[in-house]
Amino acid sequence: DVQVLESGGGLAQPGGSLRLACGASGFIFSSYAMSWVRQAPGKGLEWVSSITGSGDTTYYADSVKGRFTISRDNAKNTQYLQMNSLRAEDTAVYYCAKGWGAYEYWGQGTLVTVSS
Amino acid sequence: EIVLTQSPGTLSLSPGERATLSCRASQSVSSRYLAWHQHKPGQAPRLLIYGASKRATGIPDRFSGSGSGTDFTLTISRLEPEDFAVYYCQQYDISPRNTFGGGTKVEIK
Repeated sequence: DVQVLESGGGLAQPGGSLRLACGASGFIFSSYAMSWVRQAPGKGLEWVSSITGSGDTTYYADSVKGRFTISRDNAKNTQYLQMNSLRAEDTAVYYCAKGWGAYEYWGQGTLVTVSS
Repeated sequence: EIVLTQSPGTLSLSPGERATLSCRASQSVSSRYLAWHQHKPGQAPRLLIYGASKRATGIPDRFSGSGSGTDFTLTISRLEPEDFAVYYCQQYDISPRNTFGGGTKVEIK
């Protein structure tokens, strides 16, 4: 069975940093692009970032460009989201998703709270 | 950016009834790159429909998708207790810069 599992969420101060991780199993990880999608409290879903299977090309939403960095370690079947210069508006549940078109599988999400 | 507008915001129905959810795009979604996801609180979202009308693996046939261009519909033919959830449409015409609708909550009447 395909599984994706996020970790690394928590409380961060404005201007601070957090690194999220997403471990995957049940498919050939290096063959698939991966994405991050977030949902702020009471809001809808927002695409954040995607990375190709090889990791050589990355994409970012304008709202996080220059502050967040997506990466992956195919040997560990894990993707990451390094979040710097965090703002209150980054508070959300962050979901890891397989693919970059119709997201075929999602994780349960990890909560990031940015507050002083 | 393609903006997706879902209606209604909330649908109050009883088990066994038919649910019809709408998703309208601000511009045409080419090649029917439109998906529907189901989301329950505290759970991972689940892909139901892709390509506007193709059911994802393991999705029961009471779920069906239709539409093209700017107007799309998700129909649940007979609501089961486990179907009460929030449903999101998603366009992936300009992947990976995908966008989502605001969601329709299907609640028990």
